Amino acid sequence: AQSVSQHNHHVILSEAASLELGCNYSYGGTVNLFWYVQYPGQHLQLLLKYFSGDPLVKGIKGFEAEFIKSKFSFNLRKPSVQWSDTAEYFCATGTASKLTFGTGTRLQVTL
Amino acid sequence: DAGVTQSPTHLIKTRGQQVTLRCSPISGHKSVSWYQQVLGQGPQFIFQYYEKEERGRGNFPDRFSARQFPNYSSELNVNALLLGDSALYLCASSPQGTGSGNTIYFGEGSWLTVV
Repeated sequence: AQSVSQHNHHVILSEAASLELGCNYSYGGTVNLFWYVQYPGQHLQLLLKYFSGDPLVKGIKGFEAEFIKSKFSFNLRKPSVQWSDTAEYFCATGTASKLTFGTGTRLQVTL
Repeated sequence: DAGVTQSPTHLIKTRGQQVTLRCSPISGHKSVSWYQQVLGQGPQFIFQYYEKEERGRGNFPDRFSARQFPNYSSELNVNALLLGDSALYLCASSPQGTGSGNTIYFGEGSWLTVV
């Protein structure tokens, strides 16, 4: 079964710093990859998704991710974080039938 | 348009009791999925229902059951509650049951505490 792993469990950054959160996936044929964000007290929101095509995917709120097949990676990036980006970030793989999530990365942005 | 709505938002139950959680999908969505999110972990897939039929089941005991109604709303039932069932239960909906192109949308969840 496909799975994803997130190695950064807790990341603390100052405002305006650049962000990169790691996500590695296990190979299992067709790869569909997602990044979700969960702000405190809110529901999971889709940041971006990759199904095929251009490996550089741009999402909402200035986030982007790059699918690198040779490294089995789908890292999330943002050039300059804001305090409002403080949240839990989840990488996931699968389809609308079933998503498999990573353990999440808690991002804390300080002023 | 209303998003995925879940009820109740918070509840406390005693070990051994039974609980029913409810979910209304986004209008027009026919697929509903349930996930369990234990504190500090990512959501874990429990069930998927599409057109009122179970289409997928995760690695959860038979104490967990669900159903989908003709209006596509859904209920998740958990019997004989254990302390370890304490978690955020998430409902998600999507227009169709399968397909790579479908995005699923999550509700805010039901926080269940078992004491």
